[in-house]
Amino acid sequence: AQSVTQPDIHITVSEGASLELRCNYSYGATPYLFWYVQSPGQGLQLLLKYFSGDTLVQGIKGFEAEFKRSQSSFNLRKPSVHWSDAAEYFCAVGAKEYGNKLVFGAGTILRVKS
Amino acid sequence: GAGVSQSPSNKVTEKGKDVELRCDPISGHTALYWYRQRLGQGLEFLIYFQGNSAPDKSGLPSDRFSAERTGESVSTLTIQRTQQEDSAVYLCASSWDFGEAFFGQGTRLTVV
Repeated sequence: AQSVTQPDIHITVSEGASLELRCNYSYGATPYLFWYVQSPGQGLQLLLKYFSGDTLVQGIKGFEAEFKRSQSSFNLRKPSVHWSDAAEYFCAVGAKEYGNKLVFGAGTILRVKS
Repeated sequence: GAGVSQSPSNKVTEKGKDVELRCDPISGHTALYWYRQRLGQGLEFLIYFQGNSAPDKSGLPSDRFSAERTGESVSTLTIQRTQQEDSAVYLCASSWDFGEAFFGQGTRLTVV
């Protein structure tokens, strides 16, 4: 069955430090992938998406993610974290072969130290 | 509409009562999802509608939960005989055939 794993439940980084949030998937098909962010008390907002083409995708708020097929990963990165980035981040994966149903990871809570 | 609309935004109900939660997806979106998010938890998949295909109900936690969707429009999630553990934010999302899901702001359900 399809699955999405976000291995880190919580991550704490200092403001200004770089960030990498991990996402691994298990799909027997070519997936498309997303990262969403949920700020405290807010709804889910799309950060970026990958369907095909360039495996390094740029998103909003200075985030980027790289699709690595060989590692079944789609890790989210940001070179310099701001205090306002503190939120919960969700990776999501879908595939046409599985009826295009999006499967979400369990989320990673990011805390930013000043 | 401009986005996914959910109503009510808040609902307080007594244990044992039935509740109906409504979702108006973005016009033209063929796919519709319901998720549950308990306080401090991640997204729990409930049900997925895709066009005219049979819905994927694999995430419904018990037979007290059911959902309907009329064509490619409104969906209603019904919880019968509510229990305190049903207290959560219920999120609806819609998308095209394949693509990113657009989320509503959710319905916060409190069972007292």
